[in-house]
Amino acid sequence: DTEVTQTPKHLVMGMTNKKSLKCEQHMGHRAMYWYKQKAKKPPELMFVYSYEKLSINESVPSRFSPECPNSSLLNLHLHALQPEDSALYLCASSQDRGGYQPQHFGDGTRLSIL
Amino acid sequence: GENVEQHPSTLSVQEGDSAVIKCTYSDSASNYFPWYKQELGKGPQLIIDIRSNVGEKKDQRIAVTLNKTAKHFSLHITETQPEDSAVYFCAASPYNTDKLIFGTGTRLQVFP
Repeated sequence: DTEVTQTPKHLVMGMTNKKSLKCEQHMGHRAMYWYKQKAKKPPELMFVYSYEKLSINESVPSRFSPECPNSSLLNLHLHALQPEDSALYLCASSQDRGGYQPQHFGDGTRLSIL
Repeated sequence: GENVEQHPSTLSVQEGDSAVIKCTYSDSASNYFPWYKQELGKGPQLIIDIRSNVGEKKDQRIAVTLNKTAKHFSLHITETQPEDSAVYFCAASPYNTDKLIFGTGTRLQVFP
């Protein structure tokens, strides 16, 4: 079982809805990440949080809004999404920031936009 | 920026045979190279990693080799089993960044 927990596992929403994805880890990791993965493609980095502060935004559209309420939790708020945003959204965490730190992934939220 | 190429895109082997997946990277300053296994409906699972100061690392049936001069690294799985069937991603981390640059993935099928 993964030590990074993501909820919900599946989400279907309309283009006018507002929803949130949640990610939790209890490994004491201080860096957390959001990735987007389309079918048969590798994960693509969206955001990096380090010590609860946003350190990287990979030019993600503003309809995706990340939030890090504390060192164990990471949210991704969704609003006015487009059909092309349908994908698997993965959360990951690492001991600290720095690409040389092993990143541990959750099992993702599969998002479908109607 | 860093670019990672991965080959082959699909690989079919008989149970008990070995499997090798190869990746090349472009940024000579990259210093960390993890491998992930992703099963259907799951997130990527870190299976082994290697840092640029090491040439080879083994963990039971899995090994990774790194050739810094040629800028390539490989995953070796020996005595393959059906449960090794999955998509495998290599990745490279450029020096002084928080990023992992992933390869395009290899779908490994192990037939009983």
